[in-house]
Parts: sequence; C-alpha cells; structure tokens
Amino acid sequence: AQSVTQPDIHITVSEGASLELRCNYSYGATPYLFWYVQSPGQGLQLLLKYFSGDTLVQGIKGFEAEFKRSQSSFNLRKPSVHWSDAAEYFCAVGPSDGYNFGNEKLTFGTGTRLTIIP
Amino acid sequence: NAGVTQTPKFRVLKTGQSMTLLCAQDMNHEYMYWYRQDPGMGLRLIHYSVGEGTTAKGEVPDGYNVSRLKKQNFLLGLESAAPSQTSVYFCASSPDFPYTDTQYFGPGTRLTVL
Repeated sequence: AQSVTQPDIHITVSEGASLELRCNYSYGATPYLFWYVQSPGQGLQLLLKYFSGDTLVQGIKGFEAEFKRSQSSFNLRKPSVHWSDAAEYFCAVGPSDGYNFGNEKLTFGTGTRLTIIP
Repeated sequence: NAGVTQTPKFRVLKTGQSMTLLCAQDMNHEYMYWYRQDPGMGLRLIHYSVGEGTTAKGEVPDGYNVSRLKKQNFLLGLESAAPSQTSVYFCASSPDFPYTDTQYFGPGTRLTVL
C-alpha cells in the first residue's frame, strides 16, 4: 500500500529565509506526487505535481520540488519565504500503474505547519 | 465558476442525531471525494465516487454513507453522529483519474458532535 511521511510536524523560519519541507513516500513504482497548501480556515490548493520527466518541478507562488527516486523523496523548497506562506503543507501520492477501480485515491501525509517570523 | 462548494460551513450535533453534508461542483468533474481532517492525522478519505450513481469506500468509511444521484452533487450522511466524528470535512473533485490530474477542494465543513 502506498504511504507518505512528512517527518516535520512544525517548522519555523524567518521571513526571507530559505525553506525545505520534507516528504518521503512508499510505493512499488514511480508514483504521482503532489504538494498542497492549506491556508488557515481554507481548503487545500495544489502547489505543484510530478508525473514524469524532469525531476525538478516548478509550482505556483515560487515553490519547487525535486523528485529523488533513490531517496523516495519529494521535498518542497522555496528560496525566500514571505509572511503569506504561513500555512499547512501536505504531500500526497497517487498511483501511477494505470486505472483500476479502487486505487484512484490520493494518500496524504499528516502535514507540516509552517510559521514565519518577522 | 463557483468551483466546489460545501453546505453547511459549520454544524453542531448531539450524539445520535443525523445530518447530511452537501458538496456541489460546477466543473463537470467525474470524480468526487469526501475527506475528514483531524489534527496530526492529515486528510483521510471517507468515500469517493468515480461517476454518477457510483460510490466506493475509502480509508475510514464506517459511520458514513454517501450518494451521487447527480453528477454535480455528492452527499455525505451521518445516520447517528458520534463524538468521534467531530472533524473538519472536505469535499474535492477531479476531472479524470486522480493520479493524472488535480483535485479541487471545497472550503470545508466544521462539525462538532457533543
């Protein structure tokens, strides 16, 4: 069964500093990988996704993520965070081995809460 | 387009009461999902639907029922609410197999069961 681990429950960074949020997955093949962001009181919004090809993926709001097969990781990065980036971030994995009723769902990690200090 | 909307936004129930949460999407998406979000547990899939008239169980289906009578609507029912069902519920939809496209989320329903 597929699974996602986000080892950091809470991260605090200073505004303008760089950011890296960790995500590790467990899956038999190369999965489809996603990062979502949830601002306080809001639903989830897709930041970026990886399906195949270039392992460095660019997303919205200046975020990027790198897929590393050897490490089973898909870490999210941003070179300089803004106060508006304070939110909860979720990594998710979906199956890539073809349509099969019953395995269409995404599996989410437990999330990393990001706090930005001035 | 309104995207994905959820009704109601907040609700307080007593143990044993029933209620239905409504999710509506105006994007003509085939797939719809119900998740619950609890602190420290991320999002867990309750039920989902791959098209009108079809539903399937997710990770935590017990105590919930769903129906997808119309393509644009996905209803989540609690027949006899329990305090363990206190949570924030999110609905989502996607236009194709979820591993090839994006899920669009509603704003959530905060449910408290006393």
